[in-house]
Amino acid sequence: ILNVEQSPQSLHVQEGDSTNFTCSFPSSNFYALHWYRWETAKSPEALFVMTLNGDEKKKGRISATLNTKEGYSYLYIKGSQPEDSATYLCAFFSSGSARQLTFGSGTQLTVLP
Amino acid sequence: EPEVTQTPSHQVTQMGQEVILRCVPISNHLYFYWYRQILGQKVEFLVSFYNNEISEKSEIFDDQFSVERPDGSNFTLKIRSTKLEDSAMYFCASRVLAGRGDTQYFGPGTRLTVL
Repeated sequence: ILNVEQSPQSLHVQEGDSTNFTCSFPSSNFYALHWYRWETAKSPEALFVMTLNGDEKKKGRISATLNTKEGYSYLYIKGSQPEDSATYLCAFFSSGSARQLTFGSGTQLTVLP
Repeated sequence: EPEVTQTPSHQVTQMGQEVILRCVPISNHLYFYWYRQILGQKVEFLVSFYNNEISEKSEIFDDQFSVERPDGSNFTLKIRSTKLEDSAMYFCASRVLAGRGDTQYFGPGTRLTVL
């Protein structure tokens, strides 16, 4: 059973603060790591697909880094806005089972105005 | 922008009844998936489907579950005889290819409540 962990479980920040959260995953048999943003009653929205050690990806104020050797990825949000409030999920593809995503439990972000 | 759609958004059924959850994947996608999330737990993989057959399934996906692509657009998940523990949010996903950098796109989910 693959173990994908996210921390913190929840986070409250003030509008304008920058924040980051962590996804940890098995460092062996790495294939890809996905980040999703999920608002209640909506489809999880794909943010990034990360495949190479040292990858850094950016989408507006959101960016992510990847360290496959130590088995972690960080998601950063710069200058948080209330509309960033959502659950952020990471999901891991193992090379041993590349057809299924294994999800973390998510980080629930609330940005207070 | 194309999106994955799912119907119904909420289904309530009695234990022992059959349910069919429906999904319309993005039109040029070739790989299809079902996941579920029991309340308070992680999203779990159920099954992947390609070229009209199951390519991988989890331990959860037992004989009570089946999937079908009955026409060129729909992708369905059938639960033959529902149990209380089948109550969950069921997500459909699709992707165009199964390459390493390919994104998996999710639908909004169907909440299944088994009474």
